[in-house]
Amino acid sequence: SYVLTQPPSVSVAPGKTARITCGGNNIGSKSVHWYQQKPGQAPVLVIYYDSDRPSGIPERFSGSNSGNTATLTISRVEAGDEADYYCQVWDSSSDHQVFGGGTKLTVL
Amino acid sequence: EVQLVESGGGLVQPGGSLRLSCAASGFTVSSNYMSWVRQAPGKGLEWVSVIYSGGSTYYADSVKGRFTISRDNSKNTLYLQMNSLRAEDTAVYYCARIPRIAVAPEYYFDYWGQGTLVTVSS
Repeated sequence: SYVLTQPPSVSVAPGKTARITCGGNNIGSKSVHWYQQKPGQAPVLVIYYDSDRPSGIPERFSGSNSGNTATLTISRVEAGDEADYYCQVWDSSSDHQVFGGGTKLTVL
Repeated sequence: EVQLVESGGGLVQPGGSLRLSCAASGFTVSSNYMSWVRQAPGKGLEWVSVIYSGGSTYYADSVKGRFTISRDNSKNTLYLQMNSLRAEDTAVYYCARIPRIAVAPEYYFDYWGQGTLVTVSS
């Protein structure tokens, strides 16, 4: 089955840029979606189809996808961005949706 | 306003059964693809099942043959019937909507419920 690899944790100072990666074999040929999950809350969609942003999500959130890595970029990081972030793709071989293991973003 | 409210979770013994419900408002369940996603305590997200607007259903290998996804159009409610439960099924179960603009099978989840906790233990 298809494996998505995310770093367990990323730390960034307020006002700086955070980059959270999602690695997978030729992931650039797939559509990647990203979710933010704060403690005790349901996930929230922040990026879909690699780089589209739902209404209500700040422009500070952006996404890219190429080769073997998809990236969620959060510019001008705020304390409220501290959360777990998950990437998601469809695995054609299993016909299943697959999530990455998640990355905990810590704002220093 | 789109809302999803899950219910039906609880403590069940291994081998037991449970039916989860997800009451939807603000849209029509039968017009959208709908899915269940679970999260074991302290772990990541795991896709469980999907039902397409046409009625086709798909399952993760870990639950195939034990879980059944369905919907009641008159009640605008999604269900997950869970049989032969195992300790590893312990998780918060979320129902999630797939928007109509999403292109299957590379779809995404735009609205999620608050989740309902299922604990399988003797």
